[in-house]
Amino acid sequence: LAKTTQPISMDSYEGQEVNITCSHNNIATNDYITWYQQFPSQGPRFIIQGYKTKVTNEVASLFIPADRKSSTLSLPRVSLSDTAVYYCLVGDGGTGGFKTIFGAGTRLFVKA
Amino acid sequence: GAVVSQHPSWVICKSGTSVKIECRSLDFQATTMFWYRQFPKQSLMLMATSNEGSKATYEQGVEKDKFLINHASLTLSTLTVTSAHPEDSSFYICSASGGQELYGYTFGSGTRLTVV
Repeated sequence: LAKTTQPISMDSYEGQEVNITCSHNNIATNDYITWYQQFPSQGPRFIIQGYKTKVTNEVASLFIPADRKSSTLSLPRVSLSDTAVYYCLVGDGGTGGFKTIFGAGTRLFVKA
Repeated sequence: GAVVSQHPSWVICKSGTSVKIECRSLDFQATTMFWYRQFPKQSLMLMATSNEGSKATYEQGVEKDKFLINHASLTLSTLTVTSAHPEDSSFYICSASGGQELYGYTFGSGTRLTVV
């Protein structure tokens, strides 16, 4: 299982773009990169998933360089409600039932 | 979208008693479910992998006799904390694969267990 490394915490202001980078140097060929958001006393919530290049959905973008050894979650124009912990996971992406190991995550604090 | 229902959302029990937590996939079949525990300000720690119709696979350091897992159907997995003690107080979360239109894992809302 590929280990992930993220910044422990980040601060931002409302309306700014936030980029959270995750390192996963030993990612395997079949691994997907998935990001989750967790609020206090709630289960993690799926944000976005990708394999390579760039993926965009209605809430975020995910940038993955060619070597796939890192990835960057981009949150456009954050609001106070985006204050949460963000986890980067590397693995089968939820299709094969392989266990998912969480790293420490990044605690994002958005200020007014 | 895919939904995983976890029940109860919180429970308080006396030391020495057992508590059962249910995890249901509401609109998809989950061959595999996972159970995690999370202490305050910490990340999720995987406890065990639950496969329908077979014994659960426990992570190293997790007592299988204390944390009983049953995955009797494709939509239900249960975690029973037996002879609970205050140190078992934690936030327990389940997840299932097969939801989200094949992408990502779907998580339950979690169960806050307090043992007094």
